[in-house]
Amino acid sequence: KAGVTQTPRYLIKTRGQQVTLSCSPISGHRSVSWYQQTPGQGLQFLFEYFSETQRNKGNFPGRFSGRQFSNSRSEMNVSTLELGDSALYLCASSPPGGITEAFFGQGTRLTVV
Amino acid sequence: GDSVTQMEGPVTLSEEAFLTINCTYTATGYPSLFWYVQYPGEGLQLLLKATKADDKGSNKGFEATYRKETTSFHLEKGSVQVSDSAVYFCAWNTGNQFYFGTGTSLTVIP
Repeated sequence: KAGVTQTPRYLIKTRGQQVTLSCSPISGHRSVSWYQQTPGQGLQFLFEYFSETQRNKGNFPGRFSGRQFSNSRSEMNVSTLELGDSALYLCASSPPGGITEAFFGQGTRLTVV
Repeated sequence: GDSVTQMEGPVTLSEEAFLTINCTYTATGYPSLFWYVQYPGEGLQLLLKATKADDKGSNKGFEATYRKETTSFHLEKGSVQVSDSAVYFCAWNTGNQFYFGTGTSLTVIP
């Protein structure tokens, strides 16, 4: 069974640009969560989607948004990038029956210059 | 509020030494508890979990026991190897969202 796939693995963007990251969950998983990982803040929850609906949202500004498609693939978008958005963005999918376990992708390393 | 407090690192041990990484949580209800491991350049991998009080999770020689009375889930391994060098994250959830600790970096030297 294929794992969680995130693309691209690495991105370099300049301040003010926007970026879209993609996540394909494990087959059969309908819940997808996104996390931002930075050395100073650790892992911070961004949002969670289930069946194309955002069920839960962390404490991030509106520049961070996401969506989920009917095949459970998810994208997150960051607009008007700031230097502080440089981080590893991790996606996790969870099996049916509630978020009882999370399977993570390798992440997308975003660098804002 | 809801949180996870994890022993700060970095931790450096010699091969075959005993490892303990402390973790305590603050949560309402009866969360499931987890340890995740992150190797350099990788995402997080589930190491072990426990879903109710007094449960012991174990995997690859690592163990952790769900202690409700002390709200703790300390990670232990009797004899670490160089290949155990990684960052370890304690986490909990209640079926809605995961809460992670800040991570403890472990380096095992030969």
